Amino acid sequence: DAGITQSPRHKVTETGTPVTLRCHQTENHRYMYWYRQDPGHGLRLIHYSYGVKDTDKGEVSDGYSVSRSKTEDFLLTLESATSSQTSVYFCAISGRHIKGHDIKRDNEQFFGPGTRLTVL
Amino acid sequence: DAKTTQPNSMESNEEEPVHLPCNHSTISGTDYIHWYRQLPSQGPEYVIHGLTSNVNNRMASLAIAEDRKSSTLILHRATLRDAAVYYCILRGGGTSYGKLTFGQGTILTVHP
Repeated sequence: DAGITQSPRHKVTETGTPVTLRCHQTENHRYMYWYRQDPGHGLRLIHYSYGVKDTDKGEVSDGYSVSRSKTEDFLLTLESATSSQTSVYFCAISGRHIKGHDIKRDNEQFFGPGTRLTVL
Repeated sequence: DAKTTQPNSMESNEEEPVHLPCNHSTISGTDYIHWYRQLPSQGPEYVIHGLTSNVNNRMASLAIAEDRKSSTLILHRATLRDAAVYYCILRGGGTSYGKLTFGQGTILTVHP
């Protein structure tokens, strides 16, 4: 168990409302990722982070923003939710950092349980 | 990014070996071959990865062709719990920050 949780696990909201999803990890991993999964598309990368306050866009970043103010938390925000953002969202982590050593070639990504978001 | 091609679905019987193929003809010299699987209603989980040599771990074996243009994930004795979608992914080396590009994967059905 890589110690990764997502909240909320389920959310129903209305078009135009802001939504924030939280990914929390307890294993001091350096890299964090947000993916969405839709039928017919597999998982697609939205944004990722390679350190505190260091983030970059993924494949499908339009309409999403992220923040990482501390190692443990990676927030995904939909400023104004749309029906096309109805999806299952997965957070992932990799690159476990041990004090004094930076594991740069940690090849395994650990995924959270997912958040099912419905935008009406 | 280099792409992979996998069959849409495969079937197996319990306790039999399963060979899941993956083609990646445009693989570059620094691309790692990763396999993940996703059980129903769960997030993906790492299975195995390799670069050039065949690899074994407690979950599976990875056989990589000599020209690296294809690979095969081998489950030695399938169980019902192995029924999942299996993704073959190429991960770039260097500063790719571990980004993964998932395709459609192979849906594996295991019959009792």
